Amino acid sequence: GESVGLHLPTLSVQEGDNSIINCAYSNSASDYFIWYKQESGKGPQFIIDIRSNMDKRQGQRVTVLLNKTVKHLSLQIAATQPGDSAVYFCAEGQNTPLVFGKGTRLSVIA
Amino acid sequence: EAGVAQSPRYKIIEKRQSVAFWCNPISGHATLYWYQQILGQGPKLLIQFQNNGVVDDSQLPKDRFSAERLKGVDSTLKIQPAKLEDSAVYLCASSSLWGGGSHEQFFGPGTRLTVL
Repeated sequence: GESVGLHLPTLSVQEGDNSIINCAYSNSASDYFIWYKQESGKGPQFIIDIRSNMDKRQGQRVTVLLNKTVKHLSLQIAATQPGDSAVYFCAEGQNTPLVFGKGTRLSVIA
Repeated sequence: EAGVAQSPRYKIIEKRQSVAFWCNPISGHATLYWYQQILGQGPKLLIQFQNNGVVDDSQLPKDRFSAERLKGVDSTLKIQPAKLEDSAVYLCASSSLWGGGSHEQFFGPGTRLTVL
């Protein structure tokens, strides 16, 4: 079946550096994508979303890039801070149930 | 605004026992979701309600899992009888729109279930 997955399970970055978390999706009909952040012991928290008619969307310190040609999604975090340490999930959905990937654990090294 | 509330936060039971989880969504949110999150994986949708009606329960193991949302507000998820593989975090989420517009779901803290 269709799936949403992540390239890397873990990512370690130096505080202050930029982080890039990648996600591949297989459903070419997907038209809405979301990034969630999940801290230990908490539920996922919405970060940013993007629709398939866009290539890029920016938020506060975060940017999501969508490449529909290769069905790839990325989350960029600028000036990574210790508080950014968490598991990050990409998910696909809109009129279908959200399908989450397995997640990437981001560790920030002080 | 107050977030999604869930209780209990932790539950330990033995296999074949029954357990129930409770969720209170954000006030005014018509859509409520229950997810199962096994350790090291992303959340998997179990059931979705729109007001007090079921929209999608295709991934709910109906032989042992049941859920209801009486009066279209609070919801309970029950497992009877529990199996070892049911050990997971059960997340409740709610959203204000369905089928268009923002699909932002707000998640509760989850209930961590351990089945021994």
